Amino acid sequence: GDSVTQMEGPVTLSEEAFLTINCTYTATGYPSLFWYVQYPGEGLQLLLKATKADDKGSNKGFEATYRKETTSFHLEKGSVQVSDSAVYFCALNAGKSTFGDGTTLTVKP
Amino acid sequence: NAGVTQTPKFQVLKTGQSMTLQCAQDMNHNSMYWYRQDPGMGLRLIYYSASEGTTDKGEVPNGYNVSRLNKREFSLRLESAAPSQTSVYFCASSYQYFGPGTRLTVL
Repeated sequence: GDSVTQMEGPVTLSEEAFLTINCTYTATGYPSLFWYVQYPGEGLQLLLKATKADDKGSNKGFEATYRKETTSFHLEKGSVQVSDSAVYFCALNAGKSTFGDGTTLTVKP
Repeated sequence: NAGVTQTPKFQVLKTGQSMTLQCAQDMNHNSMYWYRQDPGMGLRLIYYSASEGTTDKGEVPNGYNVSRLNKREFSLRLESAAPSQTSVYFCASSYQYFGPGTRLTVL
């Protein structure tokens, strides 16, 4: 079946540091790929998505590129802020969604 | 436009009690989903409905039933709650919009 593997956390960074959260997937066919963010006590919010190979999703300074050859969709941000502290989930959708276990990011001032 | 709404926000049940979690969306989406979120395990799909009148099992359907009442509403029922069902439950509309969640504790 489909699966998503995320880089284990937690991840702690200083403000303005570079962020990478790795995500790889296994799926039949050609799924759409997503990153979601969850702030404490809230539901998930869609951060960005990519629907086909080589697409780049971007939002709020975050980016991820759909790499079919490496089955990856790594999340990056050039300069993190304290307000980026949250849990980040990678997911794929091939009719129904499959989520990774989440990576907790803490950004310190 | 309220997006996805869920009720209740919090619930405490005793083992063996039943309850229904309600979810509604006002975005005219065909697909709706129920997930549970447990610490360190991400979200697991319980049931989904690809369109009004259809429902399908997800990864962890045992102990749950669902009803897609109409295009707007998709409810999740626990017939006989067990402590293992203590979790946070999220409803979603399409792949993109999530409700605020229901925190359920089963004693």
